[in-house]
Amino acid sequence: AQSVTQLGSHVSVSEGALVLLRCNYSSSVPPYLFWYVQYPNQGLQLLLKYTTGATLVKGINGFEAEFKKSETSFHLTKPSAHMSDAAEYFCAVSDQNFGNEKLTFGTGTRLTIIP
Amino acid sequence: DTAVSQTPKYLVTQMGNDKSIKCEQNLGHDTMYWYKQDSKKFLKIMFSYNNKELIINETVPNRFSPKSPDKAHLNLHINSLELGDSAVYFCASDAGTGSGYTFGSGTRLTVV
Repeated sequence: AQSVTQLGSHVSVSEGALVLLRCNYSSSVPPYLFWYVQYPNQGLQLLLKYTTGATLVKGINGFEAEFKKSETSFHLTKPSAHMSDAAEYFCAVSDQNFGNEKLTFGTGTRLTIIP
Repeated sequence: DTAVSQTPKYLVTQMGNDKSIKCEQNLGHDTMYWYKQDSKKFLKIMFSYNNKELIINETVPNRFSPKSPDKAHLNLHINSLELGDSAVYFCASDAGTGSGYTFGSGTRLTVV
């Protein structure tokens, strides 16, 4: 069974500082990995994803993540935090099973930006 | 045009009532899902349908019954609502092959 662990349920960074949100996964098959963002009272929006190929993936709003198979990690980073980045972030994993790509989500990390 | 739309956005109802949530996607995706997000923001899959066929049923009480009249629609009917059913319910659709889900904006269900 696949699973996701997000270290740190709350992360606070100063505006302009580096954002690092941690995600480790467990999967018995090559995984697909995703980061989603949820703003208050809204649905989840896809930030970026890794399927195959280049292990450093870039997403929307200046975020990127690196797939490290040896560390089973897919940490999310952004060089310079902006006030608008304050939200809940979810890492997710699915196995490569076409027509049945069930996403298993981590418990989320709330990102607070300090002015 | 909203890609995945859910109605209603808010639903407040009494224990024991029956209610439905509707979901429609205009993306042409074959697969649709229902997820439940609890008060701690934890997201758990409930059901998935692929082209109107039930694929996943994750040990959800049978008071919950999904229905997919066509691949663009996936509705959720809940009988005999309980306090513990209070949550945000998200519909999502997926094109497959690692494309990632597109989520609706959610339905906040409050059972009183």
